[in-house]
Amino acid sequence: GDSVTQMEGPVTLSEEAFLTINCTYTATGYPSLFWYVQYPGEGLQLLLKATKADDKGSNKGFEATYRKETTSFHLEKGSVQVSDSAVYFCALSDLNNDMRFGAGTRLTVKP
Amino acid sequence: ETGVTQSPTHLIKTRGQQVTLRCSSQSGHNTVSWYQQALGQGPQFIFQYYREEENGRGNFPPRFSGLQFPNYSSELNVNALELDDSALYLCASSLAVGLGPLEQYFGPGTRLTVT
Repeated sequence: GDSVTQMEGPVTLSEEAFLTINCTYTATGYPSLFWYVQYPGEGLQLLLKATKADDKGSNKGFEATYRKETTSFHLEKGSVQVSDSAVYFCALSDLNNDMRFGAGTRLTVKP
Repeated sequence: ETGVTQSPTHLIKTRGQQVTLRCSSQSGHNTVSWYQQALGQGPQFIFQYYREEENGRGNFPPRFSGLQFPNYSSELNVNALELDDSALYLCASSLAVGLGPLEQYFGPGTRLTVT
């Protein structure tokens, strides 16, 4: 079945460092891809999405490009802030509409 | 626009008991999905409701059941609770307008502890 694999954490960076969190997927169809963020004690917030190949999702300085050839959707940010510390989840959704999540990557940004 | 709300926030139950969790969908949304998130894991899909009917189910036993009401709010019921049911239960709502993957908006979750 469809699945998502994302890089294991935790990831610790200094403020203003460059961030990459890798995400690859396996799907039989043409899913939509998402990044969600979860702050401590809260539910998931949609960060960005892409619905077809070569689409780039972006929000709050974060970007991810839907790469069909490499089945990837890596999350990037050029300069992280302490407030970006959270757990990031890569996810896909196909026509069945059940969303499949990766295991999550915990990011800690130090001042 | 009101977001997704869930109640209660926290709940402690004993093994073998039954529990009901509630979710109010975001205004204008007609589809509700439920997820179980164990500590340190990603959310796992339990089931989805659309127009008061179950519209897909993940790999969860029948003791996990649900309802959706005419106002699109929803309940998750779990019977015969087991220790492994301890988790954060997330509700997500979305608007189904036709075929295609749906963008889902999540509530803050209900933390269930089974002792």
